[in-house]
Amino acid sequence: QSVLTQPPSVSGAPGQRVTISCTGSSSNIGAGFDVHWYHQRPGTAPKLLIYAFNNRPSGVPDRFSGSKSGASASLAISGPQADDEADYYCQSYDSSLSGWVFGGGTKLTVL
Amino acid sequence: QVQLQQSGPGLVKPSQTLSLTCAISGDSVSSNSAAWNWIRQSPSRGLEWLGRTFFRSKWSNDYAVSVKSRINIKPDTSKNHFSLQLNSVTPEDTAVYYCVRGTYTSSYYYFDYWGHGTLVTVSS
Repeated sequence: QSVLTQPPSVSGAPGQRVTISCTGSSSNIGAGFDVHWYHQRPGTAPKLLIYAFNNRPSGVPDRFSGSKSGASASLAISGPQADDEADYYCQSYDSSLSGWVFGGGTKLTVL
Repeated sequence: QVQLQQSGPGLVKPSQTLSLTCAISGDSVSSNSAAWNWIRQSPSRGLEWLGRTFFRSKWSNDYAVSVKSRINIKPDTSKNHFSLQLNSVTPEDTAVYYCVRGTYTSSYYYFDYWGHGTLVTVSS
């Protein structure tokens, strides 16, 4: 059971907007700790996608965006492309555990 | 461009010690704005942060509560690498292990460079 809760899967067509939620608690996201997002294609290492809620590293398309509200965060993908099919993970810090924690991951399928 | 090259055995016997090394290029293990982490991934436990080492006028470590009693992460400044030792392993420690750079930007800390991963199986 992951500390941060994500839906196991989401799907969307290229013309749609897809969102992935990440629900935490008062000891992590709700306490104001950073939220970051990673994506992972099969057989490869996770890769940083969004850092500090809504900042994109160089090379990440602007169709990816992040937000936070209370003890939850969201990743939005505007017009997902076939190449975006991957697993997506949120990550934050948990003060009860004194360490960094991840969501269980969400598999994105592009229809 | 930062690159992390992992090495170490892929098979460890139960009760023995898992040892992995991560060679850093493009940065320094002694960097004042980075920390060097080990993260593992398994179907049963997902992504799990294990610990880190970092230098801020002196060397420090942080470890996950779940492994604190049996983990050691050490830097080697002469080789610009860092290592993981996990003692008394059980089949539950079977996972893909990643070495990862943690970067500080303003007040934020995130994992921006990952090694390729090493599948470590604990089995007799």
